[in-house]
Amino acid sequence: QKEVEQNSGPLSVPEGAIASLNCTYSDRVSQSFFWYRQYSGKSPELIMSIYSNGDKEDGRFTAQLNKASQYVSLLIRDSQPSDSATYLCAVKGRGSTLGRLYFGRGTQLTVWP
Amino acid sequence: DTAVSQTPKYLVTQMGNDKSIKCEQNLGHDTMYWYKQDSKKFLKIMFSYNNKELIINETVPNRFSPKSPDKAHLNLHINSLELGDSAVYFCATRDRDFEQYFGPGTRLTVT
Repeated sequence: QKEVEQNSGPLSVPEGAIASLNCTYSDRVSQSFFWYRQYSGKSPELIMSIYSNGDKEDGRFTAQLNKASQYVSLLIRDSQPSDSATYLCAVKGRGSTLGRLYFGRGTQLTVWP
Repeated sequence: DTAVSQTPKYLVTQMGNDKSIKCEQNLGHDTMYWYKQDSKKFLKIMFSYNNKELIINETVPNRFSPKSPDKAHLNLHINSLELGDSAVYFCATRDRDFEQYFGPGTRLTVT
């Protein structure tokens, strides 16, 4: 059973701060990593994917991957109240599990004005 | 145009009934999924089809039966509904980079 662990939160940050969301995974050979955002009552939407060690930036979002330590994180700079949502980390399995993603349980983020 | 659509959006029914949920995608992706999200927000994969072939079949009661008439459609039929089946069911597709795209969800309430 592949495991993806996230700190469940809730995480609460003031507007304008940096929100840091963390995720660890158990399968050492995982290759692809994704962050999804899910607003209450809505479906998950992909916000970032990362495949190589290091940082990947997209606007206010930065994904960081460290395969040696088996963690992936998401930083949200200049957090806005509209960023308040649950953030799901997902990891692509390999081999016989090639077709599936393993999801963490999500971290609930609240950005207060 | 909605990329992944599901019907119905809400479904309220009594225990013991049989119901179906339908999913359609216009993204041209070969692979589609059914997920169940419980009240604690955990997304659990149920089934996956690749070009109409079942490729993932998780440990799900056999009351749940998926069907894919073509690669743009994936349906989920549930027999003899139970209280524990109450959840949000999401259909999803994936592209070649394994990025998944979710439908709006079907909130099923069994009373």
